Amino acid sequence: DTEVTQTPKHLVMGMTNKKSLKCEQHMGHRAMYWYKQKAKKPPELMFVYSYEKLSINESVPSRFSPECPNSSLLNLHLHALQPEDSALYLCASSQDGGAGDGYTFGSGTRLTVV
Amino acid sequence: AQSVSQHNHHVILSEAASLELGCNYSYGGTVNLFWYVQYPGQHLQLLLKYFSGDPLVKGIKGFEAEFIKSKFSFNLRKPSVQWSDTAEYFCAVKKWSGGNQFYFGTGTSLTVIP
Repeated sequence: DTEVTQTPKHLVMGMTNKKSLKCEQHMGHRAMYWYKQKAKKPPELMFVYSYEKLSINESVPSRFSPECPNSSLLNLHLHALQPEDSALYLCASSQDGGAGDGYTFGSGTRLTVV
Repeated sequence: AQSVSQHNHHVILSEAASLELGCNYSYGGTVNLFWYVQYPGQHLQLLLKYFSGDPLVKGIKGFEAEFIKSKFSFNLRKPSVQWSDTAEYFCAVKKWSGGNQFYFGTGTSLTVIP
């Protein structure tokens, strides 16, 4: 299995809702990432987990809360989002976060906040 | 400021034309370099990567890129484009020190006209 699987593929939520995005990989990768991508823009890093520990938080608002229950799973909990948070949320993984790693990206969750 | 620059924001070519997309970075030290492609509505896919050795790197679908260290460049080339190459192309740099995240360029939108 050489894929990163993200669910759901599409999500529409109100500003008072609580929802979660899920990401799963079974490649034995020990580093996992959340990125946010607006249309026609490059992905922007949000969080990095390395060996199930949060190693980088790029000053993301607290309405986004990551969680790494185990080495194969990465969640992003959403609460009280704003319309400007609408974007494609991408999960990625790499072998161990080392310098020589390439990323494998998931297909993303397209989030619309209404 | 350290950055990854893609000077061509939108490129329009006819089928069979040759392609060259520019990528320059401003990080000092050792870096790994990547090109990713994002077809409409799809996730990011790795086209090719440079870690060390031969600076001319061949990737999938007939793409290649040349790392020129003195120019801090990693330009993407294809001798003859096809309509199916229409996509967004992102250059990415990963530093050997100071964290394990990618720095993406702003992207180049390629449209190939049949």
